[in-house]
Amino acid sequence: EIVLTQSPGTLSLSPGERATLSCRASQSVSSSSLAWYQQKPGQAPRLLIYGASSRATGIPDRFSGSGSGTDFTLTISRLEPEDFAVYYCQQYGSSVYTFGQGTKLEMK
Amino acid sequence: EVQLVESGGGLVQPGGSLRLSCAASGFTLSSYSMNWVRQAPGKGLEWVSYISSSSSTIYYADSVKGRFTISRDNAKNSLYLQMNSLRAEDTAVYYCARVRLGGYLDYWGQGTLVTVSS
Repeated sequence: EIVLTQSPGTLSLSPGERATLSCRASQSVSSSSLAWYQQKPGQAPRLLIYGASSRATGIPDRFSGSGSGTDFTLTISRLEPEDFAVYYCQQYGSSVYTFGQGTKLEMK
Repeated sequence: EVQLVESGGGLVQPGGSLRLSCAASGFTLSSYSMNWVRQAPGKGLEWVSYISSSSSTIYYADSVKGRFTISRDNAKNSLYLQMNSLRAEDTAVYYCARVRLGGYLDYWGQGTLVTVSS
C-alpha cells in the first residue's frame, strides 16, 4: 500500500505570502491519480486539484499543483485569509485510496 | 446542484451495529462510483470503502473489512454503509463522496457522526 507523507505538518505564513506544501509517496504514483483537498473546521473536504495539476471547478488560479512520480507539490501563490485551513493529498491505486496526514496552514 | 446528504449516525455501544445512508441529488447516481471516507475527531481523513456504479466492484480498507458492508440502490438515489461489530476506534464523522475517473472525489456530503462508546 502506498503511503503519502505530507510536509510540513504545520506551516505558519501571512496573507500575501506564497505557500508550498509537499506530498511524498512511498512508491511511484500515477499523476492522474493524485489530488489535493482543502478542509476548514467543521466542513467537509473540498476538491482543489486533480490529476496532480488540474484545478477543480471554481478554484482560484492562485492554487496550482505540480509533480510526478513520488513528489508532488501544492502551491498557493498569494495567500488570502480564507486559505488558512488543512490540506490533504490523496491517491488512488491498486484498489486502495490513501490520504496524506495533512498540512495545517495557519496564519502567522 | 449536486448534493450528498448523509444520515444514520449516532451513539452506539461497542459491538453494536449502525446503518448509514447517503442521499444523492442533482446528478444521476447510477453513473458514478462512490466512496465512504471517515475522519476521527481531530484526526485526518481515512478511506473506508468504494463501490462501482453497478455494484460489481467493491473495496474495503483493511480496518473495516469483514465488519462493514457498502451497498447502493440507484433507483432510490442512495448509498449505504452497514457497520457491524463496531469498535471505539470507528468513532468518526463519516462522509460519502462521489468518485471521478482517476480516483479523485469531487463532491462530498456534510458528514454524519458515529460515536462508539459504552
